[in-house]
Amino acid sequence: SAVISQKPSRDICQRGTSLTIQCQVDSQVTMMFWYRQQPGQSLTLIATANQGSEATYESGFVIDKFPISRPNLTFSTLTVSNMSPEDSSIYLCQGSDTEAFFGQGTRLTVV
Amino acid sequence: DAKTTQPPSMDCAEGRAANLPCNHSTISGNEYVYWYRQIHSQGPQYIIHGLKNNETNEMASLIITEDRKSSTLILPHATLRDTAVYYCIVTTDKLIFGTGTRLQVFP
Repeated sequence: SAVISQKPSRDICQRGTSLTIQCQVDSQVTMMFWYRQQPGQSLTLIATANQGSEATYESGFVIDKFPISRPNLTFSTLTVSNMSPEDSSIYLCQGSDTEAFFGQGTRLTVV
Repeated sequence: DAKTTQPPSMDCAEGRAANLPCNHSTISGNEYVYWYRQIHSQGPQYIIHGLKNNETNEMASLIITEDRKSSTLILPHATLRDTAVYYCIVTTDKLIFGTGTRLQVFP
């Protein structure tokens, strides 16, 4: 399957700032998704990143807090805006071709 | 909410078969059953998927009941490296993760 490069792998950020996470896929994929995994919890789907249009957000997630871009079929970004300590999580991107595959995650700590 | 029910944890002796059950009684006709696992601090890893027939690959076998309301993932010869959280997901496109089964393989 395809490979996703996700960066940064980890970061420590000040509250009130924003962080942009990038995912680059080594081939074109139809679908890309973003997840959050809080400490000790399962993965929660944030949104579907749609190529050339606005992302589709799951209940409880909004564009102002988690703006997403997907300019082409190989690249997407997730921004965590105006961060607070509650945003400390692992953020993962996922792509799909014949099967789903994941980036290695971004471990975010907000202080 | 996730559409599947899995036991929260299971143990398995190294070299033995690990059989992980999953209930998905509300599965619809076009939904596939997918299995993923997550080894500590890594991104989830695809294992196997099926629609209604049993499936086997180099990692595992998937047994789906005739009514498709439940399935079992079989790791035929578990190793210590198979210790992970295993997720059963039913879907046509996006993945909604439940709480999974934490499998501990012991020597």
